[in-house]
Amino acid sequence: AQSVTQLDSHVSVSEGTPVLLRCNYSSSYSPSLFWYVQHPNKGLQLLLKYTSAATLVKGINGFEAEFKKSETSFHLTKPSAHMSDAAEYFCVVSRIYNQGGKLIFGQGTELSVKP
Amino acid sequence: DVKVTQSSRYLVKRTGEKVFLECVQDMDHENMFWYRQDPGLGLRLIYFSYDVKMKEKGDIPEGYSVSREKKERFSLILESASTNQTSMYLCASSLPPYREWGYTFGSGTRLTVV
Repeated sequence: AQSVTQLDSHVSVSEGTPVLLRCNYSSSYSPSLFWYVQHPNKGLQLLLKYTSAATLVKGINGFEAEFKKSETSFHLTKPSAHMSDAAEYFCVVSRIYNQGGKLIFGQGTELSVKP
Repeated sequence: DVKVTQSSRYLVKRTGEKVFLECVQDMDHENMFWYRQDPGLGLRLIYFSYDVKMKEKGDIPEGYSVSREKKERFSLILESASTNQTSMYLCASSLPPYREWGYTFGSGTRLTVV
């Protein structure tokens, strides 16, 4: 069975410092992995996705993530946090189910950015 | 710009009422989904649909039903609302395969049952 674990429920950084949001996955086959962001009272927006091409994936707003099969990880990083990055972030893995794949969401990591 | 539109941002309903949450997408996507989002629990799949008039239960279907009469519209129905259904409800749509495209989400409906 597929699953995803976000290792931190809350991360706090100062503006201008690096961001690291950690995600481990479990999958019995080669997965697709996604990161979504949710700003307060908004829907979820796709940040980036890994679908078995390059292991280093670049997304919107300066975020990137690296797929590491040996570590079953897909951590999200950004070199320099901005106040507007404060939001909740979800790591997502695809699963195969009946007629097609569905997505499994992690429990979310809330990112706070201090001035 | 592609869109998934949920008809209400906020709803307050009474216990026992029948509640309809509407979702419309303009992307001609075959697949549509209803999730609920609760603090500490992340997103949990209620129902999904691969095609018109086709539906399948997700992980927490109890107390809910769905309707998909047209490709662009996917409705979530709370047959008899209860306070434990107070939550944020998110609709999403996708082209197959999801592993390639991911989902496009609506802005959510925050439902309070009193």
